Amino acid sequence: KAGVTQTPRYLIKTRGQQVTLSCSPISGHRSVSWYQQTPGQGLQFLFEYFSETQRNKGNFPGRFSGRQFSNSRSEMNVSTLELGDSALYLCASLGGGSDTQYFGPGTRLTVL
Amino acid sequence: SQELEQSPQSLIVQEGKNLTINCTSSKTLYGLYWYKQKYGEGLIFLMMLQKGGEEKSHEKITAKLDEKKQQSSLHITASQPSHAGIYLCGAGPYGGSQGNLIFGKGTKLSVKP
Repeated sequence: KAGVTQTPRYLIKTRGQQVTLSCSPISGHRSVSWYQQTPGQGLQFLFEYFSETQRNKGNFPGRFSGRQFSNSRSEMNVSTLELGDSALYLCASLGGGSDTQYFGPGTRLTVL
Repeated sequence: SQELEQSPQSLIVQEGKNLTINCTSSKTLYGLYWYKQKYGEGLIFLMMLQKGGEEKSHEKITAKLDEKKQQSSLHITASQPSHAGIYLCGAGPYGGSQGNLIFGKGTKLSVKP
């Protein structure tokens, strides 16, 4: 089975712009979660989608949003980018009767 | 809210030496996950523990969850350069989706050949 894939792998944006990141889960997995990883705050949960519905949400401002499509692929959007949004954004999928999340390689976002 | 504290923050060991990384939770653990991360890359799943006193091993890595389910340890025997990376413990909520994990800050392991 193919693993979790994320695109793009690297992204450079300027303050005020918006960005969309994409994640394709492992085939058959219906849950997709997003995490932000920074040197200062570590790995923090953003939100989880299951069957096109947001199931859980972390403590992030409304500029961070996401959605999930009927094929379980998910996108994450960040509007009005700030310098502090520079981070590694990781996507993880869960499913197939397992309690284990499997992570993608991440998207490295740099905000200038 | 639950917090996970990992110790040590970083570790440098000589190849062939044993080492232990600890993860302590402020609340009872219902699902404890260990992941490894190479710098700037995704997380690789190592092991998951759920029961008090549970112990699992894979190759030279052993993870344990204490009886009270508030502390877990990861032990590497005869370390190799391939073990280098950042080790993260994560905890899932009781009765909820395991797609909503909180993580410790990680332990950075360097192995000197």
